[in-house]
Amino acid sequence: NAGVMQNPRHLVRRRGQEARLRCSPMKGHSHVYWYRQLPEEGLKFMVYLQKENIIDESGMPKERFSAEFPKEGPSILRIQQVVRGDSAAYFCASSPMEGGTEAFFGQGTRLTVV
Amino acid sequence: SQQGEEDPQALSIQEGENATMNCSYKTSINNLQWYRQNSGRGLVHLILIRSNEREKHSGRLRVTLDTSKKSSSLLITASRAADTASYFCATDSPSGSARQLTFGSGTQLTVLP
Repeated sequence: NAGVMQNPRHLVRRRGQEARLRCSPMKGHSHVYWYRQLPEEGLKFMVYLQKENIIDESGMPKERFSAEFPKEGPSILRIQQVVRGDSAAYFCASSPMEGGTEAFFGQGTRLTVV
Repeated sequence: SQQGEEDPQALSIQEGENATMNCSYKTSINNLQWYRQNSGRGLVHLILIRSNEREKHSGRLRVTLDTSKKSSSLLITASRAADTASYFCATDSPSGSARQLTFGSGTQLTVLP
């Protein structure tokens, strides 16, 4: 059973371009969470999704950021018109159910905006 | 301090010594988890302790939880150089409509050979 798979591991984008980050949860997990980690800081919650539904996006910036978890395929975190401040590590986690269990994290995607 | 705040921010010890890290939080929780992150890598889940538990062991790890003080501690016994990493506590709050983990800023542990 492969762990949470994120790709790409590293992504470089110029200001104004779009960034697409992918996350395939562990087999059997239907709950996906995205977190952002700025340098020297802890992870900050962005969004929680189940298949085809956004459950909680309270941590997502109101503009330029969107997330989806389609019925088929990986979850996608999309950042439009990237700016330097978007440079961070973006982690995806999955769990088999909501609440009370550990979340398993992927290796992260390190986004650098130049 | 913010929810899930670790203390100290950095800790340096000799191999073989014990390392203790503390975490404080503000709101009520369902459970508290500890994660390890090696430099530039993802998070590895270490241990989960539920709000009705006071102590839990896993190998060289010992976690305590004091809900009256809203604090937890992670003890790593007989440390090894390979334990060098950042350690984060994360709380899972019962409030709100969805499960999300709130992380502290971490303790950077360095174990010197």
